[in-house]
Amino acid sequence: EPEVTQTPSHQVTQMGQEVILRCVPISNHLYFYWYRQILGQKVEFLVSFYNNEISEKSEIFDDQFSVERPDGSNFTLKIRSTKLEDSAMYFCALRKSSYEQYFGPGTRLTVT
Amino acid sequence: EDQVTQSPEALRLQEGESSSLNCSYTVSGLRGLFWYRQDPGKGPEFLFTLYSAGEEKEKERLKATLTKKESFLHITAPKPEDSATYLCAVQASNRDDKIIFGKGTRLHILP
Repeated sequence: EPEVTQTPSHQVTQMGQEVILRCVPISNHLYFYWYRQILGQKVEFLVSFYNNEISEKSEIFDDQFSVERPDGSNFTLKIRSTKLEDSAMYFCALRKSSYEQYFGPGTRLTVT
Repeated sequence: EDQVTQSPEALRLQEGESSSLNCSYTVSGLRGLFWYRQDPGKGPEFLFTLYSAGEEKEKERLKATLTKKESFLHITAPKPEDSATYLCAVQASNRDDKIIFGKGTRLHILP
């Protein structure tokens, strides 16, 4: 059984539109992460979120990205004005014990 | 700069033909090295964590080993269901939690 689910599984949007990707953990966790994987490329770190605050972000995570934990359980990634190059798989991950991170099934974002 | 390099990029084996995948890493202080399995269109599935040189972990037909500069994922007598991309990743001890991934090795086991 997966530790975390993500919705939607696939999102198609037009360039310039806002999208919100959601991550729903099975149980309560303090540490969350977003990664992305452009087709055929490496999995890349975007942002880490601890105790309701951003703890680290990459250079990819610019002003068009934001993260929230709106209701204390779900964890969201918002892209304000999507670009063609934002097309990728977006993965939410959580940390259980030690430093191991468990990934969700991903959301495929297609920007047209 | 922290870096992970995996080889080969792709590997085709006959069912039952054992082999090893390589992961070379450069990191400013290793907190942990991770192996994941990724099926097409899916999220990485956690396999192992290795923390120090000399450590070994096993799971079914897979065994992961670690030295100071590289890690190996040994696959013994693989089956077609072992076909997947295997990702190696590291976490630096002087960083927060981010994981740095390699490009992966695409493994295809022929029946």
